[in-house]
This record gives sequence, C-alpha cells and structure tokens, in this order.
Amino acid sequence: DARVTQTPRHKVTEMGQEVTMRCQPILGHNTVFWYRQTMMQGLELLAYFRNRAPLDDSGMPKDRFSAEMPDATLATLKIQPSEPRDSAVYFCASGTLITEAFFGQGTRLTVV
Amino acid sequence: DQQVKQNSPSLSVQEGRISILNCDYTNSMFDYFLWYKKYPAEGPTFLISISSIKDKNEDGRFTVFLNKSAKHLSLHIVPSQPGDSAVYFCAANTGTASKLTFGTGTRLQVTL
Repeated sequence: DARVTQTPRHKVTEMGQEVTMRCQPILGHNTVFWYRQTMMQGLELLAYFRNRAPLDDSGMPKDRFSAEMPDATLATLKIQPSEPRDSAVYFCASGTLITEAFFGQGTRLTVV
Repeated sequence: DQQVKQNSPSLSVQEGRISILNCDYTNSMFDYFLWYKKYPAEGPTFLISISSIKDKNEDGRFTVFLNKSAKHLSLHIVPSQPGDSAVYFCAANTGTASKLTFGTGTRLQVTL
C-alpha cells in the first residue's frame, strides 16, 4: 500500500527553535509538494520539486523556511527560527506527470 | 490573490439527497481541475478530476461539471451518505503534476 509518510505527526516547540519536518514520497514519484493548511488560507503551496530540483518556492518565507530533497526518498522542510504564526498543519504530497498528487497525513506544528 | 474560490464554507445536506459543492477560478491558464476530500487528522485524498476538454466526468456517486466560459466547476454527490461528511477542496493546475492551487474548502455535513 504505497503512501506518503510524514514525520513527526505532531510537534510542539518553543518560539525561536528550529523545526524540521520530513517526508518520504511514494516510490517512483518524481514531484514533491509542501503545503500548509491554515483556517484562513486553506491549502497554501510552500514549495515543490521535480526530480529533486526546486521548481517553485515562492510561497515560502525565505528568511526562515527552507526546503530540500537530499535524495529521491526524502524531502525536508525546515523552519528556523520558528514563530507562533507558523503554527499550522504541514502536508507533503507526491505525484508524477500523469497522476494526481497523493498527500501524507500531515505534521501538526504548534509553536508556543 | 485567491485564484481558486470556494465561497461556501459549509453545507448541510440530508442523507439521500444531492450535495452540490461549487468552485470558481480566475486563472484562464488552468486546464485540469480536481476535487479532494479531507477527513479530520488525515491528509486530503483525491476524489475526482476533469480536464478542460471535457464538461463532465462521472465516477459512481460523484460527478464533476466544468463550465469554462463561466470559470466554474461543481461537484455533485448523489445520493449523499453520512460517510461523505468531510471538507472538500477544489484544486486546479496547468497540467498534471504541476503545482495545485487549492480553494479554502467547503465543509459538508450529511445528516440522517
């Protein structure tokens, strides 16, 4: 049963701390997305990669957020330093050129 | 700039009746449209899609209609079942595996 795996599922951290979220895309999927869900904005695209290369990260606050794909099986989203307004659910999704995007279960981040 | 809009935050429908969820978009470059369903504490799951070359796509109880001239699409669920209660997101992109732009979601509640 192929699925996108995200870790951790929940993270509570203090303001100013670094947060790293990890995603294992579905094997064979060459496109990886990071989305953030907030009450007001719905699902916002933060960044996406194709064949591990970043294609669009315009939705990401560059001063504190960074996204990488060290290899085809791992995508990371890092926030440093974290702020209370970063509290949200962060979703990773993967897909190919001929499929829709499949989402992971999300990481619920709370910054206090 | 919300390019995909779901103007109804919530909808309540009786079991067995038809549920109609609406979505409008502003970007004329969008040529592929999707609906995702999301249960609490889970990631969105793909439901149904439609290409801009079609005006209707049907899959069991779910039908999506596309009106390109009005930049409007709708999801019909008939008959509605209690298990359909979820948040439904409309999404659009300019081709499979390019970035998905989501609406803010409509919470559907199917009552007994």
